[in-house]
Amino acid sequence: GQQVMQIPQYQHVQEGEDFTTYCNSSTTLSNIQWYKQRPGGHPVFLIQLVKSGEVKKQKRLTFQFGEAKKNSSLHITATQTTDVGTYFCAGKYGGSQGNLIFGKGTKLSVKP
Amino acid sequence: DTGVSQNPRHKITKRGQNVTFRCDPISEHNRLYWYRQTLGQGPEFLTYFQNEAQLEKSRLLSDRFSAERPKGSFSTLEIQRTEQGDSAMYLCASSFNRGDKSRFEQFFGPGTRLTVL
Repeated sequence: GQQVMQIPQYQHVQEGEDFTTYCNSSTTLSNIQWYKQRPGGHPVFLIQLVKSGEVKKQKRLTFQFGEAKKNSSLHITATQTTDVGTYFCAGKYGGSQGNLIFGKGTKLSVKP
Repeated sequence: DTGVSQNPRHKITKRGQNVTFRCDPISEHNRLYWYRQTLGQGPEFLTYFQNEAQLEKSRLLSDRFSAERPKGSFSTLEIQRTEQGDSAMYLCASSFNRGDKSRFEQFFGPGTRLTVL
């Protein structure tokens, strides 16, 4: 079935270090969204990528969508303690109007 | 507060009991989604509505689960004959999808945490 794999499961970094989480699907995605969930909170939308090879930036965050639209990554430059939380990718497949398939998430902890 | 609201926030029930959760989406949003999230996992899609029509249901959704959105505004999710495996956070989300004014992001509510004893 349709499944979105996300690695790593956990990442511990020192404040100021970079962080990257990767998302992979065995079949082509229609688009991919990224969400952040703070401890004890609910997922909050970050961005959507639609086009093959698309790269989008939000301040220290860089999002990429692979050429084959099967993988994506989120890179955070110079992490801060406010970046702590779990980052989820969520893929949408063609033929599915509303169904988002979430990865298991990467839990980021930042040591000050 | 004009965000997505969910009630109750916590529910503890005994195995075999029925429970019902409510979700009030952002007022102008026509799509409403239900997800289930367990510890260490991402949200798992259950079902979604466009206005009052239930357009998609997960194949994993047991027939003990039923959702309604009778007037295209709030929604309820009922679980009958609860089992311990139903213990999870039940998240509701909404979005606005209508032609060229569509907004693709889903806005999540705070969730209802269900514990089945």
